[in-house]
Order: sequence, then C-alpha cells, then structure tokens
Amino acid sequence: EAAVTQSPRNKVTVTGGNVTLSCRQTNSHNYMYWYRQDTGHGLRLIHYSYGAGNLQIGDVPDGYKATRTTQEDFFLLLELASPSQTSLYFCASSEGRGNSGNTLYFGEGSRLIVV
Amino acid sequence: GEKVEQHESTLSVREGDSAVINCTYTDTASSYFPWYKQEAGKSLHFVIDIRSNVDRKQSQRLIVLLDKKAKRFSLHITATQPEDSAIYFCAARNYNQGKLIFGQGTKLSIKP
Repeated sequence: EAAVTQSPRNKVTVTGGNVTLSCRQTNSHNYMYWYRQDTGHGLRLIHYSYGAGNLQIGDVPDGYKATRTTQEDFFLLLELASPSQTSLYFCASSEGRGNSGNTLYFGEGSRLIVV
Repeated sequence: GEKVEQHESTLSVREGDSAVINCTYTDTASSYFPWYKQEAGKSLHFVIDIRSNVDRKQSQRLIVLLDKKAKRFSLHITATQPEDSAIYFCAARNYNQGKLIFGQGTKLSIKP
C-alpha cells in the first residue's frame, strides 16, 4: 500500500505567522495533492502537482503557495496565516490520470489552528 | 469548473438495512467517479469507483450506479454493519485532468 506521510500532525500558529506543511510519498507516484477539509465543504483542492518542479492551481489557492521539490516531496506554505486557514489538511498521491492510477492515497492529515 | 454535490449531509439507517448516498456533478466531460470512506478521526481511503463506460459496478456489499444523462451517481451499501459507520465522500474527475473534485461528505450512522 502507498505510504504518504505528513508533518507536522498538529500545529498552532498566530495570525500572520509562517507555516510549512510537509508531505512525502514513497511510491514514486507522479501526482501529489493538497486538500483542506472543513465541515460543510468536504475536501477542497488547494494545489496539486504532476511531477518535480510542476505546480497546478486548485480550487481554493488564495493564501497558499506550494512547491514540489522532488518526486517524493510536496510542501504547502502559508506565509501570512489567517484564522480562516484553520483546517484539517490532507496530502494525497496517485500514479497518474486517465484510466490508470486514479486511486488517491491519503496521508494522516495535519491539523492547523491559527489564533 | 466541475462541482460535485452530495445531497445527504447525514444519514442514519438500522443495522442490516441498506443505505443510499446520492451525488450529482456538473461537468459532462467527467468520466471517473470514486468513493472514499473516512472513519472517525482517521484519514480517507478508497472504497469503490465507476467509470463512464458502465452504469453499474458492485464490490461485495457496495454497489455504485451511474446515470450519465442526469449527471448523477449513487453509492448503495447493502446489509449494513456497524463498521460501515463513517463519512463517505463522492468525487468526480475529467479524463484529461489530474484533479479530483470531492463532494461535501455524508456522515453515515448505523443504528443497532
């Protein structure tokens, strides 16, 4: 089974603070994703990537940057955190798109609180 | 862009009965429709999917139906068991795009 590891698992920061959420997958998947989960909204896609150095904008990108440094590593950056970014963040990976490699493998989640 | 609506935010059924969760989507080009399960306090994992070239798929107690004309798909869980209690998310993806769009989630509770 694909392994996706997120860190930190829990983080509290102040408004205006700088936060980096890290994600590593060990199955050489091409695609990696960052989602946020909020009650009433389900999972919303922030950014995704289909390979090292590539970045695609998701549906709720405002206030977030992302960087895919290697095949394995995908980072989500909040440079000026706001209370509206308090959420549960999930990283996921998949082999590809189309008819192959559609299944997403999720990490355990990173809970962020911005006070 | 694609929007996926999940109609029931909560659903409660008696153990042994069937549960049905319904979703609609907006993009006629969507061709892949998976379902994910999130147990309390845990992450999500894949349970079943359906592609647009079929209208029904079954895996043990799980059945997915797809109505492309109505842009609607549904998850049927038969003979429900306590371990079926979870939040279920539907999702949709266009064949040519890399991103998966999720619905809002349905919290399913199985009553003894």
